[in-house]
Amino acid sequence: SAVISQKPSRDICQRGTSLTIQCQVDSQVTMMFWYRQQPGQSLTLIATANQGSEATYESGFVIDKFPISRPNLTFSTLTVSNMSPEDSSIYLCSVEGIGKAAGSYNEQFFGPGTRLTVL
Amino acid sequence: GQQLNQSPQSMFIQEGEDVSMNCTSSSIFNTWLWYKQEPGEGPVLLIALYKAGELTSNGRLTAQFGITRKDSFLNISASIPSDVGIYFCAGLNTGTASKLTFGTGTRLQVTL
Repeated sequence: SAVISQKPSRDICQRGTSLTIQCQVDSQVTMMFWYRQQPGQSLTLIATANQGSEATYESGFVIDKFPISRPNLTFSTLTVSNMSPEDSSIYLCSVEGIGKAAGSYNEQFFGPGTRLTVL
Repeated sequence: GQQLNQSPQSMFIQEGEDVSMNCTSSSIFNTWLWYKQEPGEGPVLLIALYKAGELTSNGRLTAQFGITRKDSFLNISASIPSDVGIYFCAGLNTGTASKLTFGTGTRLQVTL
């Protein structure tokens, strides 16, 4: 399994500002993912962060709003830009496990999340 | 886009009772997953299902991959207080770069 930490664990921000969330993994992984979980809702994939190439964004999410960095195989950041109250959510990173047999699921391990409140 | 609907939305049960929840999709998945999320934590994988009709157990948990590939079921037997949390199903199609589609979640409360 992978141990994932996120910073900050929570923050309260003013609208119009930006917040950068960090995700650190204790082992090298190829694929990292960023999810959003709005209050009382399910998880929605924002983007896939790949080391050495640009992130791939899902429908409804754009790079200008959620820029992502992936400088190496153990670290990624997600920035929530020009925040509004609608951005209040839990943001989670996850990484894909390695070493699974072909045809099976490469388990994704999730970080504890960053709880963001925008006033 | 794909949607996974879970029912019930929430459950309040007594310790020792069995629990059943299900997940239905508007489209086919070739892998079904069940996660549990506790407050302040990310989801943790409970069971993975890879074949239509497959029935898999993990301790007191049993999950089934529906024959139509559009649904899955999770049962918890003899519930205990630490079963409290939100249970999410998730669908995955191999070849989509491990993109998980999560269900709407079932919130489970267990009373003594």
